[in-house]
Amino acid sequence: ETGVTQSPTHLIKTRGQQVTLRCSSQSGHNTVSWYQQALGQGPQFIFQYYREEENGRGNFPPRFSGLQFPNYSSELNVNALELDDSALYLCASSLGGGHFVRPTEAFFGQGTRLTVV
Amino acid sequence: QKEVEQDPGPLSVPEGAIVSLNCTYSNSAFQYFMWYRQYSRKGPELLMYTYSSGNKEDGRFTAQVDKSSKYISLFIRDSQPSDSATYLCAMSGKGGGADGLTFGKGTHLIIQP
Repeated sequence: ETGVTQSPTHLIKTRGQQVTLRCSSQSGHNTVSWYQQALGQGPQFIFQYYREEENGRGNFPPRFSGLQFPNYSSELNVNALELDDSALYLCASSLGGGHFVRPTEAFFGQGTRLTVV
Repeated sequence: QKEVEQDPGPLSVPEGAIVSLNCTYSNSAFQYFMWYRQYSRKGPELLMYTYSSGNKEDGRFTAQVDKSSKYISLFIRDSQPSDSATYLCAMSGKGGGADGLTFGKGTHLIIQP
């Protein structure tokens, strides 16, 4: 088991609503990345937060936003939910931020399964 | 064309067989190559990672990278039923941290007892 915890584990939302997902990073880690994994697909990079600032972003619209707190935990917010937002949302914590982080130093949480109806 | 192509399977083999999993990619900037294992309803777990071309071995697992062909492989020897999972290849460039990892679709592997 990694030290990365995500909450909630599951939730169901209605199209058009907003949702907030949470991630507590492993102790000592200062960087959190978020990924979206649709059913039958690999994870897709949403964005990365390092020391409370977004320092990298994938091909996701602005309605996907995030926050990182002084304790390095993080939130992913999605506004105006669409049916295609239904997916497993994964966060990965690591140490290092903007520079490349060796893969052995990044750990994924169990994910939050979001269903939009 | 997707940046990383991976056959989703399912791939079903008998226990004890050698398993070969593969990915191809198109982005020449990729420098780091990873294999993750993902059990149902769990997050991905890093199995192997390789920098640039070459082979790397860890117990029953061997990872190979051929950058000239843009082709990576994971071999599993003496496969066990507990190896049944989805195997994801992932890649990143030099600035991998801020650019994130690019994953394949994953191959669903079934080891029959």
